[in-house]
Amino acid sequence: DAGITQSPRHKVTETGTPVTLRCHQTENHRYMYWYRQDPGHGLRLIHYSYGVKDTDKGEVSDGYSVSRSKTEDFLLTLESATSSQTSVYFCAISERGNEETQYFGPGTRLLVL
Amino acid sequence: AQSVTQLGSHVSVSEGALVLLRCNYSSSVPPYLFWYVQYPNQGLQLLLKYTSAATLVKGINGFEAEFKKSETSFHLTKPSAHMSDAAEYFCAVSGSGNTGKLIFGQGTTLQVKP
Repeated sequence: DAGITQSPRHKVTETGTPVTLRCHQTENHRYMYWYRQDPGHGLRLIHYSYGVKDTDKGEVSDGYSVSRSKTEDFLLTLESATSSQTSVYFCAISERGNEETQYFGPGTRLLVL
Repeated sequence: AQSVTQLGSHVSVSEGALVLLRCNYSSSVPPYLFWYVQYPNQGLQLLLKYTSAATLVKGINGFEAEFKKSETSFHLTKPSAHMSDAAEYFCAVSGSGNTGKLIFGQGTTLQVKP
C-alpha cells in the first residue's frame, strides 16, 4: 500500500471554527490532491498541488485553502467551517500527471454542527 | 470540459452472475479513464485504467473494461460475481492539462446476493 496517512480520521467541530486536515505521504510523489466525497456526487476535487508551494484550485474550492511547505505534507484548511462542509475528505497522491494512478488515503470524516 | 456519467446508482446481481457497471464520459481531449473501487470505510483503490494502449483493459480481481470511443463508454465487467465484490465503484476521467485532476462519476453501489 502507498504510504499515505490522514489526520485526524474523525472530527466534530462547530460552525464558524477553522479546521485543518493533514495529509502525509512517504512516497515522495510530486502531485497531491484533496477531494471530498458526498452521496450522489462521487468525489470532487477541492485543491491540488504539483510541487512544494505550487497549488491550484479544483471544482469546489470555495471556503477551502491549502498549503504545501514540504513534499510530504499537504494541508487543507476550512477557514470558517459550515454545515455544508460536513463530508468525508480524501487525500490522494500520484507520481506524475494524467495517466498516472492516484493512490488514496483512508479519509477523514468531518462533521460540522 | 470533461464529465462522467455512471448509469445506475445501485446494481444488484446474484453470486456467479455477470457484473456490468456502465460509464459514459465526455472529453474534448483524448481521455485517460479509470475505475476505482471503495470498500466500506476505506479509501479508493485502482481496479484498472485506460491510457490509450489496448482498448480492452484487464484489472485486478477478474474485472475488465473496454474503451469504445464511438460510444464514449468505458463499461466495467466481470463474468462471475463474488460476494467480496460488493462495494462502491467509481469511474473517472482525466486528461485536460497535465495535472492528473480526476473527474469522478457519481458512483455505483454493487450488491451481490447469495
